[in-house]
Amino acid sequence: AQSVTQLGSHVSVSEGALVLLRCNYSSSVPPYLFWYVQYPNQGLQLLLKYTSAATLVKGINGFEAEFKKSETSFHLTKPSAHMSDAAEYFCAVTTNTGNQFYFGTGTSLTVIP
Amino acid sequence: EAQVTQNPRYLITVTGKKLTVTCSQNMNHEYMSWYRQDPGLGLRQIYYSMNVEVTDKGDVPEGYKVSRKEKRNFPLILESPSPNQTSLYFCASSWTTGTDTQYFGPGTRLTVL
Repeated sequence: AQSVTQLGSHVSVSEGALVLLRCNYSSSVPPYLFWYVQYPNQGLQLLLKYTSAATLVKGINGFEAEFKKSETSFHLTKPSAHMSDAAEYFCAVTTNTGNQFYFGTGTSLTVIP
Repeated sequence: EAQVTQNPRYLITVTGKKLTVTCSQNMNHEYMSWYRQDPGLGLRQIYYSMNVEVTDKGDVPEGYKVSRKEKRNFPLILESPSPNQTSLYFCASSWTTGTDTQYFGPGTRLTVL
């Protein structure tokens, strides 16, 4: 079975500061890992995904995440927060069959001007 | 424009009155999936479909039915809705499996009284 845990349901950062959103996964088989973003009153859109290629994954809008097998982590970072980054972020996991999909509980990011 | 559409966007109904939420995609995707989003619980997968006439249970299938008679459509059926099915529902689709990028619909906010 697979699962993800997102530490911190709410994170606040100042504009221009580093963004770090934490995600730890549990998987009995090699995982595929994703970060999705949800802006207010919208559906989710993909930020980036790890599919067993490079461990450092770059996504849209300056976000990146690093897969660390030894720590079972896939934390999301962005060097400098922008006001437009305020949203809810979800980490998710599946396996290579890609059938069942498991999301974390989400982290709401607030950017303070 | 490539998109996933859901109807209705908002629905208030009463306990026991059968309802269907439609989902349609125009990208010729094989994989489609339904999720419910609840505060503090993130998104949980209800059902998914790998192709026409191929469906399977996700994490929380109780009280729901689906069908996939055409590639583009994946309706979610609540035959006897109950208040605990009050939630925000999302449909998503991807090319072949969930390991591909999933494209999400705008969501359907359902209230069961």
